[in-house]
Amino acid sequence: EVQLVESGGGLVQPGGSLRLSCAASGFTFSSYWMSWVRQAPGKGLEWVANIKQDGSEKYYVDSVKGRFTISRDNAKNSLYLQMNSLRAEDTAVYYCARVWNGIFDYWGQGTLVTVSS
Amino acid sequence: DIQMTQSPSTLSASVGDRVTITCRASQSISSWLAWYQQKPGKAPKLLIYKASSLESGVPSRFSGSGSGTEFTLTISSLQPDDFATYYCQQYNSYSRTFGGGTKVEIK
Repeated sequence: EVQLVESGGGLVQPGGSLRLSCAASGFTFSSYWMSWVRQAPGKGLEWVANIKQDGSEKYYVDSVKGRFTISRDNAKNSLYLQMNSLRAEDTAVYYCARVWNGIFDYWGQGTLVTVSS
Repeated sequence: DIQMTQSPSTLSASVGDRVTITCRASQSISSWLAWYQQKPGKAPKLLIYKASSLESGVPSRFSGSGSGTEFTLTISSLQPDDFATYYCQQYNSYSRTFGGGTKVEIK
C-alpha cells in the first residue's frame, strides 16, 4: 500500500525557515517524480514544486522561487521541502504527492505550516 | 503559465441529479487534464486523468470529456458521497496548475 507521511509543519515567524519531510513507503520511491502541493486555509490547491527521480530536475511555482528548495533522498525514501524567508501568504497545509505521468496519484495527509508573529 | 478556470465555483444539486463542471485552459493542453475530488479535512483524490480516463476504483457515474482548452466533468447521478469540492489540473507543462475548484453542495 502506497503511503506518504508528511512532518515538520508548525508555527514560524515571518522571515523564518522550516523544513518539511515526507516519508514514502509501499512503492519504489526512486522511480517516481515527486511534488509538493499546498492549500491555504479555505482556498484552492496550488502546486509548489516538482523533483525528478534522481533529483536532476526541479521546478517551482514563481511565488516560491529563490525561497523554497525541493530535494529527495532515495536511500531514505524521503522527500523534503526547505522553506526560507517565509511569508504570511505561505500559510497552508502542505501535501506531498507522488507523480505518475504528470498526475498526482497518491497524496499524504498534509502538514500545516502557519506563518505568523 | 497556463491558467485554469473552473465554473461554476459553487453548485447546488440534489441526490440523483446530473451534474456538469467546466474547466477552461488559457491555452491548449491537448488532453493533459486531471480531475480530483476533495472532502473537508482530507487530501484530494484522483478521479480522472488524460481528460477522460477513469482512475481505478472510481465509480462509473463519473466521466470526463474535452480536449484543447475546454473540458467537463460529469456526474451522471449524484450520490450522497459526491458532495465535495472538485478541482481540475493541467499537466501539459512542468509548471502544474489547478482550477479554482467547484464546491458541490446539497440543494
